[in-house]
Amino acid sequence: AQSVSQHNHHVILSEAASLELGCNYSYGGTVNLFWYVQYPGQHLQLLLKYFSGDPLVKGIKGFEAEFIKSKFSFNLRKPSVQWSDTAEYFCAVNARRQLTFGKGTKLSVIP
Amino acid sequence: NAGVTQTPKFRVLKTGQSMTLLCAQDMNHEYMYWYRQDPGMGLRLIHYSVGEGTTAKGEVPDGYNVSRLKKQNFLLGLESAAPSQTSVYFCASRASDTQYFGPGTRLTVL
Repeated sequence: AQSVSQHNHHVILSEAASLELGCNYSYGGTVNLFWYVQYPGQHLQLLLKYFSGDPLVKGIKGFEAEFIKSKFSFNLRKPSVQWSDTAEYFCAVNARRQLTFGKGTKLSVIP
Repeated sequence: NAGVTQTPKFRVLKTGQSMTLLCAQDMNHEYMYWYRQDPGMGLRLIHYSVGEGTTAKGEVPDGYNVSRLKKQNFLLGLESAAPSQTSVYFCASRASDTQYFGPGTRLTVL
C-alpha cells in the first residue's frame, strides 16, 4: 500500500519568508501527486497537482511543487509567504483509485 | 452548480445512537469518497464508491456503513456511535483523478 510522509508538523514563518514543505511517498508504480490546503474552519482545496510531464508544477496563489522521481518526493514551495497563507497543507498520492494523505503540516505566518 | 455538499454541518450524538450523513454532488461524478479527519492524522479513507450501487472499504471502515443508491448521493451511516467516532467527516467526488471536497460535518459523540 502507498504511504505519504510529511516532514514537518508545524512551521512558523514571518511574512515574506520563503517556504518549502517536504513530502515523500512510497509506492512503486505510477502515481498522481497533489497538494491540498485547508484554511481554518474550511474544507480542503486543491493547490496543485502532478500527473505527468514537466516535474515543476505551478498552482494557485504562487505555490509550486517539484516532483523528483528518484527521491520519491513532491515538495511544495513558495518564494514569499503572506499572512493569508496560514493554513494546514496536505500532500496526497493517488494510486489504484485511492487517495492517501500525509498527516499534514500546519503553517503559521506571522505578520 | 453547488459542487459537493454535506448535511448536516454539525451534530452531537450520545454513545449508541445512530445517524446518517448525506453527501450530494451535482457534477455527475462516478467516484465518491468518505474520509474522517482527526488532529495529527491527516485524512483517512472510510469507504468509497466507484459508481451507483457499488461501495468498497477504505482504510478505516469499522463502525460505518455506506450506500450509493443514486449516483449523486453517498450516505455514511453510524449504527451505534462511539466516542472514538468523534471527528470531522469529509465527502469527496472525483473527476479526472482529482478529488473535490465538501465542507465537512463535525460530529461529536458523548
